[in-house]
Amino acid sequence: GQQLNQSPQSMFIQEGEDVSMNCTSSSIFNTWLWYKQDPGEGPVLLIALYKAGELTSNGRLTAQFGITRKDSFLNISASIPSDVGIYFCAGFIIQGAQKLVFGQGTRLTINP
Amino acid sequence: NAGVMQNPRHLVRRRGQEARLRCSPMKGHSHVYWYRQLPEEGLKFMVYLQKENIIDESGMPKERFSAEFPKEGPSILRIQQVVRGDSAAYFCASSPTGSSGNTIYFGEGSWLTVV
Repeated sequence: GQQLNQSPQSMFIQEGEDVSMNCTSSSIFNTWLWYKQDPGEGPVLLIALYKAGELTSNGRLTAQFGITRKDSFLNISASIPSDVGIYFCAGFIIQGAQKLVFGQGTRLTINP
Repeated sequence: NAGVMQNPRHLVRRRGQEARLRCSPMKGHSHVYWYRQLPEEGLKFMVYLQKENIIDESGMPKERFSAEFPKEGPSILRIQQVVRGDSAAYFCASSPTGSSGNTIYFGEGSWLTVV
């Protein structure tokens, strides 16, 4: 089953607002990845995090790898209509099989 | 997700038929992953392959599903005797190595509809 808890499940915001979403787990991860998926498309990589405490930005997006290695957050500043979509966190578990596990996703809706 | 090529993009099969989904990884990538996504859900891991080897198939159903990544050619996900519950989007992803220090890039998916 899923090992990542992503929240919130959905967000309804006004254009221009900032957005924050996060993922937590009881397992330790050594890589966190954030993806965005549009309808009918595959996930597109937004930000990759490889070290605990790492804070990385990609334009209006900022993500951090939690110090405990069990959590990560993604912030989007000054949202615009094209930010609409589903955002997924994903992580490589530090032990066991080398597979990427995904959160349940955060569906972002923006009112113009 | 540029570079990971999946085909067909859409596939319709009748119950009991076979479905074959193909994936060509990004150039230089030797590791391939398959994921399944049901509507309104996240991506569920199915199988992880290197060339000619299955590394982890813990997410594959025990029956009817198989995957391969031959020395030459694309990776194939095969679903035999499809049932309605197999209807989903199947995504392939690739990475240069299997190390968790690498990123994984996804294809645009193959949407299977079983009628």
